Amino acid sequence: GENVEQHPSTLSVQEGDSAVIKCTYSDSASNYFPWYKQELGKRPQLIIDIRSNVGEKKDQRIAVTLNKTAKHFSLHITETQPEDSAVYFCAASMSGGSYIPTFGRGTSLIVHP
Amino acid sequence: DAGVTQSPTHLIKTRGQHVTLRCSPISGHKSVSWYQQVLGQGPQFIFQYYEKEERGRGNFPDRFSARQFPNYSSELNVNALLLGDSALYLCASSLRGDRGPEGYTFGSGTRLTVV
Repeated sequence: GENVEQHPSTLSVQEGDSAVIKCTYSDSASNYFPWYKQELGKRPQLIIDIRSNVGEKKDQRIAVTLNKTAKHFSLHITETQPEDSAVYFCAASMSGGSYIPTFGRGTSLIVHP
Repeated sequence: DAGVTQSPTHLIKTRGQHVTLRCSPISGHKSVSWYQQVLGQGPQFIFQYYEKEERGRGNFPDRFSARQFPNYSSELNVNALLLGDSALYLCASSLRGDRGPEGYTFGSGTRLTVV
């Protein structure tokens, strides 16, 4: 089955800095890569996703890049703000049929004011 | 419109007991999935149901079971609780079970503590 590795486990930055979270996956059949943000005590929420037919996707301060050959994808957050503090999970799955994402272990992002 | 609702929000049980967790999907959604999230880890897939039929099962022991009702709500049952079952149990719903991630939404979870 799919295995997703995520690094780092904790990331501490100053407000305004950039943050990068990296993930690798094992199953070359995976073609959909979502990122979820989970604030303390709340549900995971989808913040951005990318499909294997593109290499990069951007939404305001958030961007995701995908390297299918190397089987890795990354989340980039620019101009970080204290409200970006949360746990971020990457995941990998097939985009069609039953959606059963395999999640990474999560990255706790702390943005210091 | 209500989101995915789960009950109870918190629960404390003793080792060896049985527990039932409940999930109501977003109105119109017919597929429900269950995940276990142990502290410090990502959600692990347990079950997926669509139209009352099991469509997927993760690597969990037979102590874990689930079902989906005609109104598309779902129950997760865990028998003979172990300390290691302590976790946040998440439910997610989607419109259909065969349209990939379309509309996939998580509930806020049930925090189960086994003592």
